[in-house]
Amino acid sequence: DAKTTQPNSMESNEEEPVHLPCNHSTISGTDYIHWYRQLPSQGPEYVIHGLTSNVNNRMASLAIAEDRKSSTLILHRATLRDAAVYYCILASDNAGNMLTFGGGTRLMVKP
Amino acid sequence: GAGVSQTPSNKVTEKGKYVELRCDPISGHTALYWYRQSLGQGPEFLIYFQGTGAADDSGLPNDRFFAVRPEGSVSTLKIQRTERGDSAVYLCASSPSPRYSYNEQFFGPGTRLTVL
Repeated sequence: DAKTTQPNSMESNEEEPVHLPCNHSTISGTDYIHWYRQLPSQGPEYVIHGLTSNVNNRMASLAIAEDRKSSTLILHRATLRDAAVYYCILASDNAGNMLTFGGGTRLMVKP
Repeated sequence: GAGVSQTPSNKVTEKGKYVELRCDPISGHTALYWYRQSLGQGPEFLIYFQGTGAADDSGLPNDRFFAVRPEGSVSTLKIQRTERGDSAVYLCASSPSPRYSYNEQFFGPGTRLTVL
């Protein structure tokens, strides 16, 4: 499985934008880029996914590099409720759609 | 609507005992996944069901672990002769269909298993 690399932790101030990076230099053509987040004492929850084009939804934006070897999850205005571990995951069709989680990035939001 | 539910939320058992963990997926979801999460780490895949059959059990660590989904909805993860190293949060997820990579998985809150 292609692997992802994320910083262990990041800090942000409340109401400021946050850019969470992810490197995936061995991504294959059929891999989708997924982001999930896990709030304290909860199961992971889906945030966003994309293949080639940038994506926006109500939670976040996903910016995908042209060569697809990296991507950035953008939270436009961080709130205290966004404090969580964010996982960048590649999921390909031939993996039974299971998710391979790495260590993720622990986002801390300061008031 | 109701999300994925897991029972019990906490389970404390003694080394060597047998435990069952239950997962109720979202109604109509054909795919069901079990993951295990140790402290400070990301979830680790255990097994995936498509309907009633286990389509991929490559993540089960050894033959003490077994899972069933007899009617294609509720699933039970069974652990025999528990060991202290089995202590973790066991997460269940479901999705409408595994056919496409971009299918979102919906996770339950997990069962925290502690083996003394």
